[in-house]
Amino acid sequence: EAGVTQFPSHSVIEKGQTVTLRCDPISGHDNLYWYRRVMGKEIKFLLHFVKESKQDESGMPNNRFLAERTGGTYSTLKVQPAELEDSGVYFCASSQWAGSTDTQYFGPGTRLTVL
Amino acid sequence: AQSVTQLDSQVPVFEEAPVELRCNYSSSVSVYLFWYVQYPNQGLQLLLKYLSGSTLVESINGFEAEFNKSQTSFHLRKPSVHISDTAEYFCAAQHGGATNKLIFGTGTLLAVQP
Repeated sequence: EAGVTQFPSHSVIEKGQTVTLRCDPISGHDNLYWYRRVMGKEIKFLLHFVKESKQDESGMPNNRFLAERTGGTYSTLKVQPAELEDSGVYFCASSQWAGSTDTQYFGPGTRLTVL
Repeated sequence: AQSVTQLDSQVPVFEEAPVELRCNYSSSVSVYLFWYVQYPNQGLQLLLKYLSGSTLVESINGFEAEFNKSQTSFHLRKPSVHISDTAEYFCAAQHGGATNKLIFGTGTLLAVQP
């Protein structure tokens, strides 16, 4: 069974540009989460999808970030326009159901560098 | 505010020595606790979790963690480490409610030396 995949693995862009990150969850997983780790700090929650609906987007830093999950399969996270402080590693995770015994499976992350 | 604290950013240890990675959580956080590991150039992998029942939980590769409610701790231990255990270890707590978002600590880099 394929794990969570993320594309690209690395992205280097200039301030003001747009970047789109993609996450493909494990097949059949309704729950999809985005997290971000800024260098040296903790991994922070960004948002949670249940199928195509946003269940919780309390962690989204501002309106420059837009997440979508059309059709309840893969998800994209767009940053427009990118700022220096957006640099970090963006992780995606998926799970089969949002229960207490559920396990979130993480992808390898996308390392975003904004110059 | 809910939080998870990992007191050590780096822990150097010699191969075959015991190790303890410390994790404390704030009392308002849900008592579902996790340790994740990130090996170089890989994603996060679940190492072990505490949901309920026995306070001592074990992983398949020899790590164990003990949930201590009075000390609000969930320290990770291994009696004898290997070079292959070199990785970054993250303690996390699960936020209660409609979303199971994880609250992470800042991570501990375990560096096993020969």
